[in-house]
Amino acid sequence: QKEVEQNSGPLSVPEGAIASLNCTYSDRGSQSFFWYRQYSGKSPELIMSIYSNGDKEDGRFTAQLNKASQYVSLLIRDSQPSDSATYLCAVKGTGGADGLTFGKGTHLIIQP
Amino acid sequence: KAGVTQTPRYLIKTRGQQVTLSCSPISGHRSVSWYQQTPGQGLQFLFEYFSETQRNKGNFPGRFSGRQFSNSRSEMNVSTLELGDSALYLCASNLGGIRETQYFGPGTRLLVL
Repeated sequence: QKEVEQNSGPLSVPEGAIASLNCTYSDRGSQSFFWYRQYSGKSPELIMSIYSNGDKEDGRFTAQLNKASQYVSLLIRDSQPSDSATYLCAVKGTGGADGLTFGKGTHLIIQP
Repeated sequence: KAGVTQTPRYLIKTRGQQVTLSCSPISGHRSVSWYQQTPGQGLQFLFEYFSETQRNKGNFPGRFSGRQFSNSRSEMNVSTLELGDSALYLCASNLGGIRETQYFGPGTRLLVL
């Protein structure tokens, strides 16, 4: 049973600060990792994808992957109130046709 | 390029009925995946279709089924509805490769009374 674990929060961060979101996964053979953002009542939208160990930066967002520790994180710099949402970590397994396994999400609140 | 579309957006059914949901992927995308989202269980994978064939299936009972047409549009069907089937059903499409990002549609919110 593949599992993806996230702290449900809420995680409260002051505006302008760095928000740090974490995720661990159980399937050591997982190959692809994604962060999705979901606003209340909306569908998930992709923030970042990462496939190799290390950091990947895109604007204010940085994804970090450590396959040895089975750990993925997302950093949001200069947090804005519009970043308030639920952040979902998703992992794709070793099989080419595996669906995404999602964590239950971390509820992030950016305080103005 | 138009995004993933799903119809209907909202649906109310009663226990024992069946329901069919439709998904049109992004143009050129050949893979369609279906997910169920509930407050308690989060997002759970139902199944994936690629080139009209089911490639993988999640851990759901046989009441949940799907199909894909030659134009990549997909439908999922839930028979003998139960109260616990009330959820947001999300469809996602991608080109079909292992590393391809899945893009989600707006979802169909199903309420079973």
